[in-house]
Amino acid sequence: QSALTQPASVSGSPGQSITISCTGISSDFGGHNYVSWYQQHPGKVPKLMIYDVTNRPSGVSHRFSGSKSGNTASLTISGLQAEDEAVYHCSSYTFPNTVFGGGTKLTVL
Amino acid sequence: EVQLVQSGAEVKKPGESLKISCKGSGYGFTSYWIGWVRQMSGEGLEWLGFIYPGNSNVKYRPSFQGQVTISVDKSISTAYLQWSNLKASDTAIYYCARWVYHGVDVWGQGTTVTVAS
Repeated sequence: QSALTQPASVSGSPGQSITISCTGISSDFGGHNYVSWYQQHPGKVPKLMIYDVTNRPSGVSHRFSGSKSGNTASLTISGLQAEDEAVYHCSSYTFPNTVFGGGTKLTVL
Repeated sequence: EVQLVQSGAEVKKPGESLKISCKGSGYGFTSYWIGWVRQMSGEGLEWLGFIYPGNSNVKYRPSFQGQVTISVDKSISTAYLQWSNLKASDTAIYYCARWVYHGVDVWGQGTTVTVAS
């Protein structure tokens, strides 16, 4: 079970959009759509931002969106705000295995 | 409100044993898988394993099988992660988490485990 591959870091200016990729092998995504994204601020608990590739939990801003094509899932954040600066982790779940990416540090310039 | 409340930080010596806990509330504890995720300093997240409180069925990530033990006491809605022979490399933050059909939806606050001589 290798980790999913994410870029170590991305950056963007306030108001811009950024996209974070998450690449696995075919068995990681298993032909299903159980891809999630978590936001983690320094010293804080991960927070679910996207599930089932594209769905946002109640309370998560519409600026966050997800997609998937083949073996790559993506998280897009539009209208970047300073509060978005955090580490973002992708995850794929095929019972019973949960695989995470290495995490991507987003810097808002 | 669904909550997972973990036990406090621990400092142990190599070779010692340890059991940390995670108490669930605000939902049907026996109906959801609950388990553990490790985060070493500055690193990503790693799934260790989880347990179904309804029947105590346990699933481990293969690399953690035999290294840790996951258990549950459903009478007090509490899950546990246990080591019998701690190593310095076990130093990390351990999060308990609840799994739903699509993966983890709720996280505990984390328990910092430090193993040092």
